[in-house]
Amino acid sequence: NAGVMQNPRHLVRRRGQEARLRCSPMKGHSHVYWYRQLPEEGLKFMVYLQKENIIDESGMPKERFSAEFPKEGPSILRIQQVVRGDSAAYFCASSPIVRTSDNEQFFGPGTRLTVL
Amino acid sequence: GQSLEQPSEVTAVEGAIVQINCTYQTSGFYGLSWYQQHDGGAPTFLSYNALDGLEETGRFSSFLSRSDSYGYLLLQELQMKDSASYFCAIISAGGSYIPTFGRGTSLIVHP
Repeated sequence: NAGVMQNPRHLVRRRGQEARLRCSPMKGHSHVYWYRQLPEEGLKFMVYLQKENIIDESGMPKERFSAEFPKEGPSILRIQQVVRGDSAAYFCASSPIVRTSDNEQFFGPGTRLTVL
Repeated sequence: GQSLEQPSEVTAVEGAIVQINCTYQTSGFYGLSWYQQHDGGAPTFLSYNALDGLEETGRFSSFLSRSDSYGYLLLQELQMKDSASYFCAIISAGGSYIPTFGRGTSLIVHP
């Protein structure tokens, strides 16, 4: 059973370009979460999606960032007009169901975005 | 709001026991999780405590005291491969049960 897949693993963009990050959850998982991690820091929640629905986007910047999880295909985190401050590792996680007692999340290997 | 405090770095020798503490502040607390991350790789889930007490899983144990808003991760019989970052994360009320992560503790195991 393949784990959470993310691609690309490394992405280099120039300021002003668009970055598109993809995440395929584990088979059978319908909940996807995106996090951003800066060096020496923890994971900062960005957005939580289920198929065709954004459930919680409280951690996502209001401008330039968007996310989707279509009925078919991977979840996509899109960053428009990237700036140097967007350089970070972006992790995707998935979970099968969300329970009150436990929300174990399975993380992908991350996409390292570098903005020149 | 929510906040977590954990030491930035802990060092220990192979074979020893090490404890990584985590204190938190939040409202509507559900539970405390621990994750391990090697060199910026994929974080992996280690444990979850919803009730007070100690949960043991092999060489790793996790403890929670809800009244003290405190927990710790205990690693026994340390191995070199345990060198990694360890993150505590709290699950709080808010509807989505999304973990809020601490800044992480870098564990360095020396031979």
